[in-house]
Amino acid sequence: AQKVTQAQTEISVVEKEDVTLDCVYETRDTTYYLFWYKQPPSGELVFLIRRNSFDEQNEISGRYSWNFQKSTSSFNFTITASQVVDSAVYFCALRQGGSEKLVFGKGTKLTVNP
Amino acid sequence: GAVVSQHPSWVICKSGTSVKIECRSLDFQATTMFWYRQFPKQSLMLMATSNEGSKATYEQGVEKDKFLINHASLTLSTLTVTSAHPEDSSFYICSARNRGGRGYNEQFFGPGTRLTVL
Repeated sequence: AQKVTQAQTEISVVEKEDVTLDCVYETRDTTYYLFWYKQPPSGELVFLIRRNSFDEQNEISGRYSWNFQKSTSSFNFTITASQVVDSAVYFCALRQGGSEKLVFGKGTKLTVNP
Repeated sequence: GAVVSQHPSWVICKSGTSVKIECRSLDFQATTMFWYRQFPKQSLMLMATSNEGSKATYEQGVEKDKFLINHASLTLSTLTVTSAHPEDSSFYICSARNRGGRGYNEQFFGPGTRLTVL
């Protein structure tokens, strides 16, 4: 069975602070894909990143970075120098190889205060 | 590219009426579309997978007769909430899987439809 756990329900930081959103996943497949999505108050899901299970390289995109560690089944997301516009709900998701279904975590609501 | 639209963006209806929500892939063909439901402050739950030209596959616990899905073309899927009740009030989000080109085989999400049943 697949499962995604985002233990942090809500996080509140002050602008310019760094913040890490945790994601732990469970799957029995050796081939799978991990995702992060941002959902601002408007509701639309914004795709941030996709990672496949064979690529453990960390990735950096501007102020965003992702740390994928298969040994701990984690795919954590760090925002450096947070900004008010980063305020949103962030979802981690998992898709097994060969399946079309995305399984979402419960999301972490990030509030960045000025 | 890879834009998905939903219409309407919000709808308010009376209990007992039916509501149709459209999901369109604007610049790509989608053999498969997905319908999700999201309650306030909760995660997205997959309701059904819609394949063009065939019957939708519903997730366990989702009433097929309540949530009618039609995927008549490669760019359009519709979700009809029949005999809506207040407990059906929710945020409905569709996604479409790209057959080719940019983002091949990944899901692109629509902006969502907020349904309020009075």
